[in-house]
Amino acid sequence: AQSVTQLDSQVPVFEEAPVELRCNYSSSVSVYLFWYVQYPNQGLQLLLKYLSGSTLVESINGFEAEFNKSQTSFHLRKPSVHISDTAEYFCAVIPSGTYKYIFGTGTRLKVLA
Amino acid sequence: DTEVTQTPKHLVMGMTNKKSLKCEQHMGHRAMYWYKQKAKKPPELMFVYSYEKLSINESVPSRFSPECPNSSLLNLHLHALQPEDSALYLCASSQSGTGGTDTQYFGPGTRLTVL
Repeated sequence: AQSVTQLDSQVPVFEEAPVELRCNYSSSVSVYLFWYVQYPNQGLQLLLKYLSGSTLVESINGFEAEFNKSQTSFHLRKPSVHISDTAEYFCAVIPSGTYKYIFGTGTRLKVLA
Repeated sequence: DTEVTQTPKHLVMGMTNKKSLKCEQHMGHRAMYWYKQKAKKPPELMFVYSYEKLSINESVPSRFSPECPNSSLLNLHLHALQPEDSALYLCASSQSGTGGTDTQYFGPGTRLTVL
């Protein structure tokens, strides 16, 4: 069985400070890894995903995540956050060949002025 | 166009009512999904349609009845719901009918309240 752990339910950080949102997964089969963001009263939007190749993936709005196979982690980082980054962030895995996302419980990022 | 639309945005219904949620995408995607999301929780998969056929039902109670009239439309028919069914209902779609690496594009959701 697969599982995803996001240990931090809330992360407060001041504007322009760096942030790391942690994600660890457990799986006996190969998986694909995703980060989704959910702004208040909206659906989920894909931030970035790791399928294969380079272990460092980047999004267009300055986030990056690094796949670490040995530590089974896929932490999300941003060197300088903005107020507009305040949202819920979900890490998810999909076992190869299936439809079903296994979501973590989410991390609420709150950026403070 | 990478948009998934959902109507209505909000719905309040009594336990004896029958209502429907609608989802639409015009991206040519062949897989469509219904999720349920309770407050401060991740989305939970309910149903998956692949090439307009129901391929996954995550043991959802029969008071929820999905329908895929064509490749662009997905409905969720609701009947005799319970207050604990109150949640945000999200629709999503992905390009391939076989899942896996495809990004799922989510709609904004319908916030359902059952009185």
